Amino acid sequence: GAGVSQTPSNKVTEKGKYVELRCDPISGHTALYWYRQSLGQGPEFLIYFQGTGAADDSGLPNDRFFAVRPEGSVSTLKIQRTERGDSAVYLCASSWKGGPGANVLTFGAGSRLTVL
Amino acid sequence: AQKITQTQPGMFVQEKEAVTLDCTYDTSDQSYGLFWYKQPSSGEMIFLIYQGSYDEQNATEGRYSLNFQKARKSANLVISASQLGDSAMYFCAMRHCKLSFGAGTTVTVRA
Repeated sequence: GAGVSQTPSNKVTEKGKYVELRCDPISGHTALYWYRQSLGQGPEFLIYFQGTGAADDSGLPNDRFFAVRPEGSVSTLKIQRTERGDSAVYLCASSWKGGPGANVLTFGAGSRLTVL
Repeated sequence: AQKITQTQPGMFVQEKEAVTLDCTYDTSDQSYGLFWYKQPSSGEMIFLIYQGSYDEQNATEGRYSLNFQKARKSANLVISASQLGDSAMYFCAMRHCKLSFGAGTTVTVRA
């Protein structure tokens, strides 16, 4: 696609429920990233995929959070037993490849999650 | 571990003037990239400028320039001739494999 697409744009759920957030990266981008951003703060790294595998999942806060990218394209971030503290904007980004080069991350518009 | 520090939570600048946003970083990697992103109130993250750790020249992109001082681990962003549309949050970020962000600086341009 032309850009990184994230769905839903807005999700309101109740504490304890399960949530899935989807990211459709730019076609051909092999690297995909998930970030979480709370109001007034910088994006916080969650997980990075290179192809189908998670190259770095050190940012996932606990075992309630899980992400997959089974075919190396679309990714789903899954949050189990949601808590009020999970409320944030979840940003997805993709780039041609990972690594330190000038591979600019293109971000989606984000999915705003509110846990009541 | 990577750490990015932006010490200015908020700044005001007069339209048409220049503004410098500070960014320092800490890394043990020799090869890394430095990025600046803009996030307006709409929430989108917009890439502004990139500097590679081995680049000897400071990066420039239109009204944006990056003052890269490798020995001091500093990567300040300079916005020249500020416009009202420059009002936004600005994030410095560094990448070896993953991209890590600073806390951001809010810039408000006054007419």
